[in-house]
Amino acid sequence: AQSVTQLGSHVSVSEGALVLLRCNYSSSVPPYLFWYVQYPNQGLQLLLKYTSAATLVKGINGFEAEFKKSETSFHLTKPSAHMSDAAEYFCAVSDRQNFVFGPGTRLSVLP
Amino acid sequence: ETGVTQTPRHLVMGMTNKKSLKCEQHLGHNAMYWYKQSAKKPLELMFVYNFKEQTENNSVPSRFSPECPNSSHLFLHLHTLQPEDSALYLCASSQEVWVASYEQYFGPGTRLTVT
Repeated sequence: AQSVTQLGSHVSVSEGALVLLRCNYSSSVPPYLFWYVQYPNQGLQLLLKYTSAATLVKGINGFEAEFKKSETSFHLTKPSAHMSDAAEYFCAVSDRQNFVFGPGTRLSVLP
Repeated sequence: ETGVTQTPRHLVMGMTNKKSLKCEQHLGHNAMYWYKQSAKKPLELMFVYNFKEQTENNSVPSRFSPECPNSSHLFLHLHTLQPEDSALYLCASSQEVWVASYEQYFGPGTRLTVT
């Protein structure tokens, strides 16, 4: 069965600093991987997805993620945090049977 | 309207009330989902519909009753709820289920409070 872990339920960074949100997965088949963002009182919005075309995936709002098969990781990064990036971020893994979300990481951006 | 819409956005109901949540998707998708999002808990998948047929029910109590009259509309009928059912209920859609590359698109959710 698939699973997703996100290290750190809460991450704080200063405005302008690097954002790194960690995601590790387990899957018995080559996975499809997704990052979603949820702003307060809103639904989840797709940031980016990995579908095996390229290991480095660029998404919206300046975010990108790198698929590393050897590490079973799909970490999300952004070079410079903005106040508007404060939100909850969810990693998800999909195979043909299930679409599984991680527990989420809340990102705070400090002025 | 575009994307996935949900009404109402907020709902307060007593434990003996009956109410319904509505979801509509304008994306031409064939699969629709209900999720429950409680504070400090992971997203919980409740129901899955594919081409109007229910394909998954994750041991959800019978006080939650889904209905999918067509591929664009999904309802969640609520009755005799408990305070622990208070949560954000999210609707999502995707092109189809069981196709791994298809992402899910979410509505804004209904914030439900059971008093």
